[in-house]
Amino acid sequence: KAGVTQTPRYLIKTRGQQVTLSCSPISGHRSVSWYQQTPGQGLQFLFEYFSETQRNKGNFPGRFSGRQFSNSRSEMNVSTLELGDSALYLCASSFGTPGGNQPQHFGDGTRLSIL
Amino acid sequence: ILNVEQSPQSLHVQEGDSTNFTCSFPSSNFYALHWYRWETAKSPEALFVMTLNGDEKKKGRISATLNTKEGYSYLYIKGSQPEDSATYLCAHNYGQNFVFGPGTRLSVLP
Repeated sequence: KAGVTQTPRYLIKTRGQQVTLSCSPISGHRSVSWYQQTPGQGLQFLFEYFSETQRNKGNFPGRFSGRQFSNSRSEMNVSTLELGDSALYLCASSFGTPGGNQPQHFGDGTRLSIL
Repeated sequence: ILNVEQSPQSLHVQEGDSTNFTCSFPSSNFYALHWYRWETAKSPEALFVMTLNGDEKKKGRISATLNTKEGYSYLYIKGSQPEDSATYLCAHNYGQNFVFGPGTRLSVLP
């Protein structure tokens, strides 16, 4: 069974640009969550999608958005990139909603660097 | 924001030593407590999902306990091995989303 796949693995952008990251969950998983990790910070929750609906959202500005498709694949978009957006972005999928007792399965992440 | 704390921040032990670390979380609105192991250059791996007060779970040499009334969970590693070197994260699910702790970085010296 294939794991969670994130693309691309590495990305370099400049300030002001926008970026789209992709996440394909484990087959059968309907919930996809996105996290940001910056140096010295723990994993910060961005948002969670379940059956194409955003169910929960973390405390991030509106420049961060996402969506989920009918096949459960999810994309995250960041517009007007800032230097502080440089981070590792992790996607995690679970069978049910994370509010239950289902563990999350993480991808390898996309490392975004802003110049 | 409901804070999740972990202690110690980092830990160095000798191969064969047993060790434990703590995750503290708000005791209100508890749904589940998750433990993950995150090895360098890999993705976080789920260890345990704990939901009931008094829960104790075990996976090989690793075990965890849960006290939801006082808001803490312990992770124990018996007979640490170099391959146990990783960052151990706990995450508190309070019904809306996960709040992760900062992690405990464990280094097991051969």
